[in-house]
Amino acid sequence: EAGVAQSPRYKIIEKRQSVAFWCNPISGHATLYWYQQILGQGPKLLIQFQNNGVVDDSQLPKDRFSAERLKGVDSTLKIQPAKLEDSAVYLCASSLRQGGSPLHFGNGTRLTVT
Amino acid sequence: GQQVMQIPQYQHVQEGEDFTTYCNSSTTLSNIQWYKQRPGGHPVFLIQLVKSGEVKKQKRLTFQFGEAKKNSSLHITATQTTDVGTYFCVATLKIIFGKGTRLHILP
Repeated sequence: EAGVAQSPRYKIIEKRQSVAFWCNPISGHATLYWYQQILGQGPKLLIQFQNNGVVDDSQLPKDRFSAERLKGVDSTLKIQPAKLEDSAVYLCASSLRQGGSPLHFGNGTRLTVT
Repeated sequence: GQQVMQIPQYQHVQEGEDFTTYCNSSTTLSNIQWYKQRPGGHPVFLIQLVKSGEVKKQKRLTFQFGEAKKNSSLHITATQTTDVGTYFCVATLKIIFGKGTRLHILP
């Protein structure tokens, strides 16, 4: 099966600019996750979707971050405006169902904010 | 939500030595997953443990789930350079990653 696709692989922007990341999960996977991983730390869950509904966005900085999964398949994560501390790898993962299914991760997008 | 503490945070071993990382929770876990992340890579699913006292093996890796379902361990026998990376345990009710255990292999 095709894996989780993410784009772009790398992005460099200046602070206060905006950026968007795209994720295409494994076909048939109902649950989609966005994680932020700062160098040397574990992945931090930003938002979890079940189909096109949000299950958990408690750690999403909603003043600057937004995410959507309109048709229950692809998802986009946006940051506007970016701050220096947003420099991280943004990982998208999908699983067949919520709770108890393995997560399959994409290669991530490495964001550098200067 | 269910969260786990993992120890040690870092471990350096000589190639060929054994390695163990431990996961502990203050609450009973429904099940637990283990992931491995190579340097520069993304987390890759290794295994899921569901039953109390469960032991599963994958070649040189042995995974255990405690009888009370409050702790888990990953043991690697005779480490190789390919084992380098960070190992995460994740409680699956809410997929939250901790800091993991970073394994360095000394040649």
